[in-house]
Amino acid sequence: QSVLTQPPSASGTPGQRVTISCSGGSSNIGSKTVSWYQQLPRTAPKLLINSKNQRPSGVPDRFSGSKSGTSASLAISGLQSEDEADYYCVAWDDSLKGPVFGGGTKLTVL
Amino acid sequence: EVQLAESGGGLVQPGGSLRLSCTASGFTFNTYWMSWVRQAPGKGLEWVANINQDGSEKYYVDSVKGRFTISRDNAKNSLYLQMNSLQAEDTAVFYCARGRGYYSFDQWGQGILVTVSS
Repeated sequence: QSVLTQPPSASGTPGQRVTISCSGGSSNIGSKTVSWYQQLPRTAPKLLINSKNQRPSGVPDRFSGSKSGTSASLAISGLQSEDEADYYCVAWDDSLKGPVFGGGTKLTVL
Repeated sequence: EVQLAESGGGLVQPGGSLRLSCTASGFTFNTYWMSWVRQAPGKGLEWVANINQDGSEKYYVDSVKGRFTISRDNAKNSLYLQMNSLQAEDTAVFYCARGRGYYSFDQWGQGILVTVSS
């Protein structure tokens, strides 16, 4: 069971806006920054949104992150078929003294 | 171009040992924290260990403490993970990642499969 909770699945149609949530606690999301990763099928994870809520070079501005209290969200606007992937949130946890991952959300583009 | 390339994976029997290597290029290796992250088949990502720039600080997830050792050789731009007393639950793809996860893991290797089975 992951420290950070994500819905196991999400879906949307092309052009739609979808959000993926990531819920934690005061020792992680509540006091630390969150980063988001995209893992396309059979590939390594890739940084999507860094801890400063910025997109690395090459990541489309359709992807955005936000945080409120002990929860964070990844929003994808103008959904495209190539966005079909697994998405993970990560935050540092002060109690565990290490980074913790969400369980991942599998995004399906219908 | 930043590149991280893992090697050393394979099939090992329960109780056995394996040493993973990660060779870095395209950036100043000795100025970055480095980490190992693993992914069991069909499962999510799990941070395993990280090490600071000069190797003086090392941290591990509880499940591998006392069995795994992370190290680095800055002269060779290489990161290592010595894995002892391997168990079936350690079967996973192991990724080398730049950063320690306090902010983010901004570069990842392609991953290497470790299978623990008799």
